Amino acid sequence: EVQLVESGGDLVQPGGSLRLSCAASGFTFSEYAMNWVRQAPGKGLEWVSTSGSGAGYAYYADSVKGRFTISRDNSKNTLYLQMNSLRAEDTAVYYCSKDTRGIPDYWGQGTLVTVSS
Amino acid sequence: EIVLTQSPATLSLSPGERATLSCRASQSVSSYLAWYQQKSGQAPRLLIYDASNRATGIPARFSGSGSGTDFTLTISSLEPEDFAVYYCQQRSNWPRGTFGQGTKLEIK
Repeated sequence: EVQLVESGGDLVQPGGSLRLSCAASGFTFSEYAMNWVRQAPGKGLEWVSTSGSGAGYAYYADSVKGRFTISRDNSKNTLYLQMNSLRAEDTAVYYCSKDTRGIPDYWGQGTLVTVSS
Repeated sequence: EIVLTQSPATLSLSPGERATLSCRASQSVSSYLAWYQQKSGQAPRLLIYDASNRATGIPARFSGSGSGTDFTLTISSLEPEDFAVYYCQQRSNWPRGTFGQGTKLEIK
């Protein structure tokens, strides 16, 4: 059974940093691209970033480019999102998802990031 | 950026009725369109991928159709657990997959 468990969400001040983690199990983690997708309170879904299955492939939405860094540790079956220079508009539930041929087919339960002073 | 527009924003129906949800793309996405269901406080769940293929474990009352720019999600006979928000998502320009703004399916 595929399981994705996010952690690391917290209340942080504007300009601060946070690192999210997503622990994966139930599939061969190294063979799949992985995504971060976020959802602001009461809003829709927004793609944030994708880590390709191969080394060095990382993609970002324009809204987070230069501030967020996606990475993965295939030995630990874990996906990360390092978020720097956080803004109020980054407040959201952040989901990680497994990517099968461009389709986010399994999702974690999400972790809440709140950016506020 | 490919923009997906879903309609209606809210759909009010009764259990047992048929639901038809629409998703229109700003440019062709071929058949690279998926549908998700999201219940309050839960993660999205994949229902349909590549326009018309049901994901694992999805009941047969859910079906998808369309190609190019116009897509439809149909729920043939609504069950109480089907009332939720539905999103479409395109992967035509992977990884920059975009989502529609959602359709809320509520009980009439």
